[in-house]
Amino acid sequence: NAGVTQTPKFRILKIGQSMTLQCTQDMNHNYMYWYRQDPGMGLKLIYYSVGAGITDKGEVPNGYNVSRSTTEDFPLRLELAAPSQTSVYFCASKGTVQYFGAGTRLSVL
Amino acid sequence: AQSVSQHNHHVILSEAASLELGCNYSYGGTVNLFWYVQYPGQHLQLLLKYFSGDPLVKGIKGFEAEFIKSKFSFNLRKPSVQWSDTAEYFCAVNAGNNDMRFGAGTRLTVKP
Repeated sequence: NAGVTQTPKFRILKIGQSMTLQCTQDMNHNYMYWYRQDPGMGLKLIYYSVGAGITDKGEVPNGYNVSRSTTEDFPLRLELAAPSQTSVYFCASKGTVQYFGAGTRLSVL
Repeated sequence: AQSVSQHNHHVILSEAASLELGCNYSYGGTVNLFWYVQYPGQHLQLLLKYFSGDPLVKGIKGFEAEFIKSKFSFNLRKPSVQWSDTAEYFCAVNAGNNDMRFGAGTRLTVKP
């Protein structure tokens, strides 16, 4: 049982580039989340989804987009990468409690 | 929207010392409360949770937390810490809506 799988684990982007962070869960959870984690700031919610076809903004959605075409997948898109988006990104899915992926460490230079 | 405050940013203890990490939230309705732990280089793992019932909840690795509704608090405790408890600890609140809010985290360093 893989749980929540995130890819890639590490990525370096140039300013203005775009990329998609992938997240897949195999627990058939309806709820999925994207967070960013910055030192001393805890986890900030970027976007979340309550089921396929339904997404909503969290605390810090600017500069990001999401889609949820299937229950399993919840990709996070950065269209024009900026240095402020340098962070560690965690995807999570929730049944009774949240389960987290291993994270994606992104640097924008 | 609800918010979560963790007052201790960095706590340093010696092995066998007792631990208490503070967590306060701002929401007046029914809440679900969680403590997560993040070991260096790893993702978050659930330590314990409170949904309803007995306000003193026990989690893994000897941790416990007490929900005090009148104080909007959910403090984490452990009677005797070990070096392996060195990690970052996050309190989280779900207030019945669809998102989950986390505190800024408390870094615990246990000296051997």
